[in-house]
Amino acid sequence: ETGVTQTPRHLVMGMTNKKSLKCEQHLGHNAMYWYKQSAKKPLELMFVYNFKEQTENNSVPSRFSPECPNSSHLFLHLHTLQPEDSALYLCASSYTRANEQFFGPGTRLTVL
Amino acid sequence: AQRVTQPEKLLSVFKGAPVELKCNYSYSGSPELFWYVQYSRQRLQLLLRHISRESIKGFTADLNKGETSFHLKKPFAQEEDSAMYYCALKSGANSKLTFGKGITLSVRP
Repeated sequence: ETGVTQTPRHLVMGMTNKKSLKCEQHLGHNAMYWYKQSAKKPLELMFVYNFKEQTENNSVPSRFSPECPNSSHLFLHLHTLQPEDSALYLCASSYTRANEQFFGPGTRLTVL
Repeated sequence: AQRVTQPEKLLSVFKGAPVELKCNYSYSGSPELFWYVQYSRQRLQLLLRHISRESIKGFTADLNKGETSFHLKKPFAQEEDSAMYYCALKSGANSKLTFGKGITLSVRP
């Protein structure tokens, strides 16, 4: 699969679990993003990384912890989540912040 | 703060009928507006942007600064246009994208 890939595609976890979402792109992009898509809500930007540095955190609770080890990979570490965190988590990347964002297929997360 | 409003959740039309998906925005600066589309079982993808002034798959959208609108239009809908459509605004030096809630377009045969 080319473009932006995300694994796993589906994840069910308990509130005490620790899990990680992975996003990967080999498009040569320098900016990567995490979005949250909940039912009945607009797509919400969570984090932005530009050249591996976090440049934006939209007041996201600390139970979500992003990591960007290099420009091609982005992780979202999850711990002690709440049922209301159940959503589709989308990753996106762009060449620069000003360029078009390309989206991954998303990870459907269910917190029990 | 910027905001994107898509007032309708669902639009259902017959094939060949005209389509207008509404989008209004609020932003104090000079906005850059986009329409994204998500077809069934596919990822979210860019459909068009206002600065390009192009027609993609028969869709056009004109930025109306007076009415702060960026409605998406197509004169004759096709069944393959059925999808979820999101209006988005890019703002500020950080180029943050703000999305509307989206609208489901259903085109019936």
